[in-house]
Amino acid sequence: DAKTTQPTSMDCAEGRAANLPCNHSTISGNEYVYWYRQIHSQGPQYIIHGLKNNETNEMASLIITEDRKSSTLILPHATLRDTAVYYCIVRGTNFGNEKLTFGTGTRLTIIP
Amino acid sequence: NAGVTQTPKFQVLKTGQSMTLQCAQDMNHNSMYWYRQDPGMGLRLIYYSASEGTTDKGEVPNGYNVSRLNKREFSLRLESAAPSQTSVYFCASSDWADSSYNEQFFGPGTRLTVL
Repeated sequence: DAKTTQPTSMDCAEGRAANLPCNHSTISGNEYVYWYRQIHSQGPQYIIHGLKNNETNEMASLIITEDRKSSTLILPHATLRDTAVYYCIVRGTNFGNEKLTFGTGTRLTIIP
Repeated sequence: NAGVTQTPKFQVLKTGQSMTLQCAQDMNHNSMYWYRQDPGMGLRLIYYSASEGTTDKGEVPNGYNVSRLNKREFSLRLESAAPSQTSVYFCASSDWADSSYNEQFFGPGTRLTVL
């Protein structure tokens, strides 16, 4: 699986959009980009994933560049409850083998 | 639905003691996983079970054994605990019916301290 690079930490004002970048320059054609977050000491929570098209769900939007070497997770209206560590993960699609490789992620702090 | 449950929530062991961490899911998922998370670090995969009856090593399997008891349950055993195994252990499950979509559901974790 391709390696990802994320900033160690970011701050965002409450109510503003939080934009979390991720670099995955060695991504291959069949690898998806996944985002998870971990709030305090809870288990990680799935947010969104995509292959090459932009994706949106009730939690966030995922923007993947045309060359697929980087992506941005967007939380449109950040709240204090969005304070968490956000993990960008790239994974292949071997059937029956869905290992996730977590890095150290980005610690996002939402400021009141 | 309870999702993924783990027992115990907390445990303190002495070096050399053994214990089993239990994990169960009620989502009829095929795949189950055990991760550990050390302070300030991301999660690292210990073992996983792609389907009932199969288990495979992950990134850090040494010192652990697993059993996929049935489709619902996946246990992690420490035969002789060491201080280096002090960590938070997370169990997760996912359904591989659609190989392009893999939402792993995580349990609340077991906080293990080995003295």
